[in-house]
Amino acid sequence: DAKTTQPPSMDCAEGRAANLPCNHSTISGNEYVYWYRQIHSQGPQYIIHGLKNNETNEMASLIITEDRKSSTLILPHATLRDTAVYYCIVRVGGTGFQKLVFGTGTRLLVSP
Amino acid sequence: NAGVTQTPKFQVLKTGQSMTLQCAQDMNHEYMSWYRQDPGMGLRLIHYSVGAGITDQGEVPNGYNVSRSTTEDFPLRLLSAAPSQTSVYFCASSSNSDSQPQHFGDGTRLSIL
Repeated sequence: DAKTTQPPSMDCAEGRAANLPCNHSTISGNEYVYWYRQIHSQGPQYIIHGLKNNETNEMASLIITEDRKSSTLILPHATLRDTAVYYCIVRVGGTGFQKLVFGTGTRLLVSP
Repeated sequence: NAGVTQTPKFQVLKTGQSMTLQCAQDMNHEYMSWYRQDPGMGLRLIHYSVGAGITDQGEVPNGYNVSRSTTEDFPLRLLSAAPSQTSVYFCASSSNSDSQPQHFGDGTRLSIL
């Protein structure tokens, strides 16, 4: 699986958009980008994933560059409850089981 | 929806004791797995299952046993607890459909004295 690089920490004001970047320059054509977050030692929470197209759900938007070497997770209106460690993970698609490899992630602090 | 349910949430054991961590999911997922997370570190895969009656080892399986008799349940057994097994344990499940994400429980915090 491709390695990912994320900034160790970011700050965001409540109500503003939080844009979390992730570099995955060695990503292969069949590898997806997944985003999870972990709030205060709770279980990792799935946010969103994509292959090449931009994706949006009720939690966030995922923007993947055309060359697929980087992506950005967007929380459109961050709240205090979005304070968490955010993990960008790249793994091969398909139907077989694959373990998730969590790096160190980005610690997002949302402040009033 | 309950999702993935883990019990107990907290447990303290003495060295040498055995116990079973329970994991149940109500999403009819084929895949289930156990990870452990040590302080300041990422998750490491212990064991996983791709269906009832089928299990396999992850990257840190020593000292743990699993079985999968039903689709819903995937218990993790510590045979003889050691202080090195002090950790937070997470169970996850996922569908076997293309690229489906894993969904995690809230974890069991285990301390071995």
